[in-house]
Amino acid sequence: GDSVTQMEGPVTLSEEAFLTINCTYTATGYPSLFWYVQYPGEGLQLLLKATKADDKGSNKGFEATYRKETTSFHLEKGSVQVSDSAVYFCALSAADGNEKLTFGTGTRLTIIP
Amino acid sequence: DTAVSQTPKYLVTQMGNDKSIKCEQNLGHDTMYWYKQDSKKFLKIMFSYNNKELIINETVPNRFSPKSPDKAHLNLHINSLELGDSAVYFCATASGPNQPQHFGDGTRLSIL
Repeated sequence: GDSVTQMEGPVTLSEEAFLTINCTYTATGYPSLFWYVQYPGEGLQLLLKATKADDKGSNKGFEATYRKETTSFHLEKGSVQVSDSAVYFCALSAADGNEKLTFGTGTRLTIIP
Repeated sequence: DTAVSQTPKYLVTQMGNDKSIKCEQNLGHDTMYWYKQDSKKFLKIMFSYNNKELIINETVPNRFSPKSPDKAHLNLHINSLELGDSAVYFCATASGPNQPQHFGDGTRLSIL
């Protein structure tokens, strides 16, 4: 079945550091790929998405590129802020249209001033 | 206006009790979901409904019964609560397949 493997956390970085959170997936066909962010005490919010190979999703300084050849969708940000501290989830929606999101295990990110 | 609202936000109850969690959305989306997030933050889908019809049931025990009285509501009823049911339950909605899902703020269920 479909699966998402995410970089284990927790990740702690200093403010203005470069961030990469790795995400790889296993799925048939061409799934849609997402990054969601969960701030403390809140539900998940969509951060960015990509629906086909070589698409780049971007939002709030975060970027991720859909790489079919490496089945990856790594999340990057050039300069993180304290307000980026949250749990980040990589997810896929299968190409068969069954509308189910399969999530990675989540990566807790803490940014220290 | 909150797009996806869940009630209650916190639910503390004894083992063996029956409880319900309500979810309402004002986005006009056709599809609604219930997810369970365990203590390690792992998220797993439980159910999905499309236009009040059950689409996905991911090997969830029979004690869990979703009910969709109309397109804007998907409630989750749990019978005979067990310790392992302690988790945060999230409702979500989407406008269609492969579309981003919009999540509620979650209901933290604690079983004593």
